[in-house]
Amino acid sequence: DTAVSQTPKYLVTQMGNDKSIKCEQNLGHDTMYWYKQDSKKFLKIMFSYNNKELIINETVPNRFSPKSPDKAHLNLHINSLELGDSAVYFCASRQGSTEAFFGQGTRLTVV
Amino acid sequence: GEDVEQSLFLSVREGDSSVINCTYTDSSSTYLYWYKQEPGAGLQLLTYIFSNMDMKQDQRLTVLLNKKDKHLSLRIADTQTGDSAIYFCAENGSYKLIFGSGTRLLVRP
Repeated sequence: DTAVSQTPKYLVTQMGNDKSIKCEQNLGHDTMYWYKQDSKKFLKIMFSYNNKELIINETVPNRFSPKSPDKAHLNLHINSLELGDSAVYFCASRQGSTEAFFGQGTRLTVV
Repeated sequence: GEDVEQSLFLSVREGDSSVINCTYTDSSSTYLYWYKQEPGAGLQLLTYIFSNMDMKQDQRLTVLLNKKDKHLSLRIADTQTGDSAIYFCAENGSYKLIFGSGTRLLVRP
């Protein structure tokens, strides 16, 4: 069983479109995250949710809207996609200060 | 501020030891982590160290922590070609992990 699963793995779309990335964890963790990894491999936190509540929004444009319908899911919806949104997006989950488990990533390419 | 720093690139010969260094900023971090990322894959936890420890050994991996200098290192003994990857150190922030820039390790045959 995959602990943290994201779909889709690859997403190619045109500028201006709206797209969603889904994430699910089966570990029973309270905290879930979205990270963005750019072409230089830098990993930056975007959002942190704890028990379905938004805790951190690291100056992410409001075109990005996370939604957590329950503790096990944290989806990311992106409106009006721009070229600069092209990156790999990672979902992760964690319980307290223990290790964070990462999904396999979603490679988003905006053309 | 939050700034975890690593050198970007390290090249070693197969069989040699690799040492990857990291400096972090938050002295209150309770845990410090090393993650490995292989091409096209997600991040995988390699090892971690609790802040009241100076050293942790796990098979070929040795983590050293110098709290005074806020310096963390990962030593990989007998480095193999399969160890080629990007290695990230991370510190425990408030409701988040703060990652370094990653060190790309290349192991030459």
